[in-house]
Amino acid sequence: AQSVTQPDIHITVSEGASLELRCNYSYGATPYLFWYVQSPGQGLQLLLKYFSGDTLVQGIKGFEAEFKRSQSSFNLRKPSVHWSDAAEYFCAVGAGYGGATNKLIFGTGTLLAVQP
Amino acid sequence: EPEVTQTPSHQVTQMGQEVILRCVPISNHLYFYWYRQILGQKVEFLVSFYNNEISEKSEIFDDQFSVERPDGSNFTLKIRSTKLEDSAMYFCASKGDGDYEQYFGPGTRLTVT
Repeated sequence: AQSVTQPDIHITVSEGASLELRCNYSYGATPYLFWYVQSPGQGLQLLLKYFSGDTLVQGIKGFEAEFKRSQSSFNLRKPSVHWSDAAEYFCAVGAGYGGATNKLIFGTGTLLAVQP
Repeated sequence: EPEVTQTPSHQVTQMGQEVILRCVPISNHLYFYWYRQILGQKVEFLVSFYNNEISEKSEIFDDQFSVERPDGSNFTLKIRSTKLEDSAMYFCASKGDGDYEQYFGPGTRLTVT
C-alpha cells in the first residue's frame, strides 16, 4: 500500500541555518510527490512538486527538493531559514484509481520551529 | 489568482445533528476532493468526485457522509448525524483536467459538542 513517512515530528533550527526535512515514500510505480506547508490556522499551500524529469525541483519561498528513487526519498531543503518559515510541512504522494493523483496520501508532518 | 473557497470557516454543532460544509472549487476544474485533519494528526483523504459521481472513497467515508455538486459551482460534504470524533478541519480541493496538483481551500473547522 502507498504510504509516506516523515521521520522527524519536530525540528528546531536557528534563523539563517540550513534546513532539510526528510520524506520517504512507498509506492509501486513512478510517484507523483508533493510538499505542502501549513501555517497555524491556515490551509495547505503547495511548495513544490515532482512528476518526472530533473530530480531536483525548485519551489516557492526558496525551497527545493530532491527525488532519489534508490532511496525512495523526497527531502525538502532550504539553504537559509527565515523566521516566517516556522510552520508544519507535509510530504504527500499522489495515488488512487483512475489517475495517479486521484488522491493524496500525506505524511504525519514535521513541525518546524525557528529560533532567532 | 483563482482559489478554492470554503464556508463556513468554523462550524459548531451538537452531536447527532446534520452539517453541510460548502466549497467553491476553481471554476474550470473537474476533479473535487474532501480531506480531513483531526487536530494534531495528518491530513486524510475522504473522497474524490468526478463527472458527478464518487470516483474513490476512503474507509472513513461511511454511510454518514455524502457529497454533492448541486450546481455548477458548489461542492458540498454532508455529515448526516455528527459524532464527537467528526471534529476536525475539513479541506476541499480541486484539480483541473490534465493537472497533477490539487489546490486546497482554507478549510472548515468542525467542532461537534
